[in-house]
Amino acid sequence: AQKVTQAQTEISVVEKEDVTLDCVYETRDTTYYLFWYKQPPSGELVFLIRRNSFDEQNEISGRYSWNFQKSTSSFNFTITASQVVDSAVYFCALSSFNKFYFGSGTKLNVKP
Amino acid sequence: EAGVAQSPRYKIIEKRQSVAFWCNPISGHATLYWYQQILGQGPKLLIQFQNNGVVDDSQLPKDRFSAERLKGVDSTLKIQPAKLEDSAVYLCASSLDTGRETQYFGPGTRLLVL
Repeated sequence: AQKVTQAQTEISVVEKEDVTLDCVYETRDTTYYLFWYKQPPSGELVFLIRRNSFDEQNEISGRYSWNFQKSTSSFNFTITASQVVDSAVYFCALSSFNKFYFGSGTKLNVKP
Repeated sequence: EAGVAQSPRYKIIEKRQSVAFWCNPISGHATLYWYQQILGQGPKLLIQFQNNGVVDDSQLPKDRFSAERLKGVDSTLKIQPAKLEDSAVYLCASSLDTGRETQYFGPGTRLLVL
């Protein structure tokens, strides 16, 4: 069965700290895609990144970076030098066998 | 490029009433999704359309929920009659094609059933 686990329900950090959000997935599909979305208090889910199962290169975009490790079925997300505007719920998602699976989300609180 | 549009943004109804939500996907996107998101949880897929055909409605409570996408563009989700447990945010998303394409989400409709 396909599944996405985000074990961290809520994380609180102080501004400028680095923070890593964990994502572990399960699938028997050989070709799948992984995603991260941000949901700020306004409620809209904002797409952050899409990564296919054949590309294990880590990606960096500004203060955001993603670490994809097939060996541990993980796709972790790190925010460097966090800011108050990063406060949101972050969802990891898996697209496998033509279906989408969302994790339960990690709420990130960044305090000034 | 315009994003996914949804209306209304907020709706308050009493139980046993009916309600309808509207979604207009990104132009050119063949696939449209309706999700239900209960507070503190991740989105749960209710129904997925590919053009005007239903791909997956396995989690749609068909005794009270219905959805249509008649011309393969915009879509309507209806609840009739509403129950207290239907209070949630209803999210619409669209993607170029089904399966592995990135889904882009609208702002959602917050429904409160009293």
